[in-house]
Formats: sequence, C-alpha cells, structure tokens
Amino acid sequence: AQSVTQPDIHITVSEGASLELRCNYSYGATPYLFWYVQSPGQGLQLLLKYFSGDTLVQGIKGFEAEFKRSQSSFNLRKPSVHWSDAAEYFCAVGGRSGGGADGLTFGKGTHLIIQP
Amino acid sequence: GAVVSQHPSRVICKSGTSVKIECRSLDFQATTMFWYRQFPKQSLMLMATSNEGSKATYEQGVEKDKFLINHASLTLSTLTVTSAHPEDSSFYICSALDRGLINYGYTFGSGTRLTVV
Repeated sequence: AQSVTQPDIHITVSEGASLELRCNYSYGATPYLFWYVQSPGQGLQLLLKYFSGDTLVQGIKGFEAEFKRSQSSFNLRKPSVHWSDAAEYFCAVGGRSGGGADGLTFGKGTHLIIQP
Repeated sequence: GAVVSQHPSRVICKSGTSVKIECRSLDFQATTMFWYRQFPKQSLMLMATSNEGSKATYEQGVEKDKFLINHASLTLSTLTVTSAHPEDSSFYICSALDRGLINYGYTFGSGTRLTVV
C-alpha cells in the first residue's frame, strides 16, 4: 500500500530564510508526486508535480522540489520565504494502475510558520 | 488552468437529514473524480473514486450507503451524506482528474464544511 511521510509537523522559519520541507513516499509502481498548499478553510492549490523526466521540478511561487528515487524522497524547497507562505503543506503520491488512476495518498502535512 | 467548482462551501443541517455536495469540472471533462474527507488539523483521507457512468469505488471503512456518490456526467459528481449525524461533520473536498496530455493532474475544489447539529 502506498504511504507518504512528512516527518515535520511544524516548521518555523524567519522571513527571507530558506526552506526545505521533507517528504518520503512508498509506492509500488512509478509514482506521481505532488506538493499542495492549503490555507485555513480552503481547498488545495497545486505547487508542483513530478511524473517523469528531470528530477528537479519548478513550481509556482518560487518553489521547487527534487525527486530522489534512491531515497524515496520528494523534498520541497524555497530559497527565500515570504510571510504569505505561511500555510499547511501536503505532499501526495498517486499513479496509474490497471489502466485507471489512483486517488492521491497524502502525508499528514507540515504547518509552516513564518517569523518576522 | 483547470478549475473545479464545489458547492456549497458551507452547510449546516439537522441530524437525520441528508445533504448533497456538488463537484463540477468547469473547463475539462473529468471521467474520474475523487472525494476526500479532512478532519480538523489532519490530512485528507480518500473516501471514494467516482467514475462517470459507473459505480463508485469506496475505500475500506467508508460506508457506501451513507455516502452516496453519483457521477452522471463528464463534468459533475455529487456526494450525498444520508441520515447525517454529528460525527459526519467534517471538511469534504472533491478532486477531478484531468487526463489531458499537457495538463494531466488532479485539481481540487475549494471544499465543503459540513456541520451536523
């Protein structure tokens, strides 16, 4: 069964500092990997996704993520955070099986706090 | 980009009544949609996969008779919470799969906050 681990429940970063959010996954086939951001009471916004090809993926809002198959990781990074980045971040894994598409399995999320 | 509209955004209902939540893909055809449930300060849990024109596939532990899913068209899936009870209060989010060659991916609705009193 697939699973996603986000080991950090909360992360506090100073505004302007760099950020890395960790994500490890377990998936039986070729994974499709995603990072989403959620503001309180809102739906999910896609930051970036990885299906294949270049393992360094660029997303919106200055975020990037690197797929490392050997480590089963897909960590999210941003060189300089802004106060507006404070939110809940979810890593998710999905894929295709039997000709269909799997629903996504989400990690528990990382709550990002930005200090002034 | 792909847009998914979910309505209502908030609903309060009395215990024992039923509530219907709609999920529409606005600019693409979604043969597959997904329904998730999110408890406060927790992650999203997949409830069911909805395929147009066929029965939904429910995840283990999800009561199919309580959470009725209908996917009658390529742009609309509905979730009906039947005989709702306070423990059904939660945040429900739908997602539509865009199978386009360029835009392949999952787009989420803005969620529905259900409160059963």
